[in-house]
Amino acid sequence: GDSVTQMEGPVTLSEEAFLTINCTYTATGYPSLFWYVQYPGEGLQLLLKATKADDKGSNKGFEATYRKETTSFHLEKGSVQVSDSAVYFCALTLDFNDYKLSFGAGTTVTVRA
Amino acid sequence: DVKVTQSSRYLVKRTGEKVFLECVQDMDHENMFWYRQDPGLGLRLIYFSYDVKMKEKGDIPEGYSVSREKKERFSLILESASTNQTSMYLCASRHRLAGMDEQFFGPGTRLTVL
Repeated sequence: GDSVTQMEGPVTLSEEAFLTINCTYTATGYPSLFWYVQYPGEGLQLLLKATKADDKGSNKGFEATYRKETTSFHLEKGSVQVSDSAVYFCALTLDFNDYKLSFGAGTTVTVRA
Repeated sequence: DVKVTQSSRYLVKRTGEKVFLECVQDMDHENMFWYRQDPGLGLRLIYFSYDVKMKEKGDIPEGYSVSREKKERFSLILESASTNQTSMYLCASRHRLAGMDEQFFGPGTRLTVL
């Protein structure tokens, strides 16, 4: 079935460090890909998305590129802040009218001052 | 501002009790979802609703039921709570025509079943 695998955490970084969270997917068709973020005590919110191969999603200094050849959607940020401490989820959905998101297990990121 | 609210942030219940989790959205969205979130497992879909009075099972519906009598409200029911239903429950909604666009999530209800 369709699934998402993301790197296990937790990840602990110092401020201004470079962050990468790996995400790979398995899908029978051509999925759209998402990164959601969950800040402490809150629900999930969309961070960025990409709907087709080679698309780059970006938001709040985060970027991810849809790589069909490697079935990957790795999340990167060049210089993290303490406020980026959160749980990050990679997710996919298939078909324009598909209602379902398939999520990865989540990666907890802690940024220290 | 778009908003999805859930009736409780924290809930403690006893084994065998009937539990109601309520979710309300103010965005006039047709689609609504219930997930549970467990460490190392990410989010798993319990049930979703296309529209009022419509529902479909997700990946882990066993032990749960849902009710959607009004467009803005989607209830998750645990008919007889068990300890393995201790979890974080997240509600989400989405516009029917959103296609690949985002789901909007509530803050979650952390349920403990003793």
